[in-house]
Amino acid sequence: EIVLTQSPGTLSLSPGERATLSCRASQTISSNSLGWYQQRPGQAPRLLIYGAATRATGIPDRFSGSGSGTDFTLSISRLEPEDFAVYYCQQYEGSPQTFGQGTKVEVK
Amino acid sequence: QVQLVQSGAEVKKPGASVKISCKASGYTFTNYAMHWVRQAPGQSLEWMGWINAGNGHTKYSPKFQDRVTITRDRSASIAYMELSSLRSEDTAMYYCARVLVAGATLAFWGQGTLVTVSS
Repeated sequence: EIVLTQSPGTLSLSPGERATLSCRASQTISSNSLGWYQQRPGQAPRLLIYGAATRATGIPDRFSGSGSGTDFTLSISRLEPEDFAVYYCQQYEGSPQTFGQGTKVEVK
Repeated sequence: QVQLVQSGAEVKKPGASVKISCKASGYTFTNYAMHWVRQAPGQSLEWMGWINAGNGHTKYSPKFQDRVTITRDRSASIAYMELSSLRSEDTAMYYCARVLVAGATLAFWGQGTLVTVSS
């Protein structure tokens, strides 16, 4: 099973700042098989990025994904109030597909 | 627009089974796979399995292989997930999620069904 480790666990930032979230895989995965999700309190997850770098429909361009091999990054260029949430990476290269433990982006 | 509407919250006793439904609308049900993911309170997401809504083929996570059954009713555009031999650790929010096109990018999610296992 591929383990995804996200860091940091919590990111404390102010609106307007840049957020950089990391996801490291326990083995190499294809960039086509890495996704990022946002989850706000009390809501279902929402797809942000798939294929490591492709924004899903309707996702603002302040969200961007990058990386390859075992190291992937989700960046949020300027945090809006609605961006304070938990973010999960997901891999579907290996079976079972797995999720990281999440990074919480909170208001500083 | 794509909508996935799940059945309501359930309270079950240890050892019982639960069956959750996920009614799909806004697209051709049989053209897309449906996955099931759960989330225990305060925890991350955990993939349980998926079904090819067209041919009924299923694949389950090894963790749940012996206890989970995913089925579908093509005529009603409903997917089901049944989990048996429930224990307290199965208390969680359960989500159905449709893939984007293929693979396992989970583009559309149901609202979730809370299952509480308690004696």
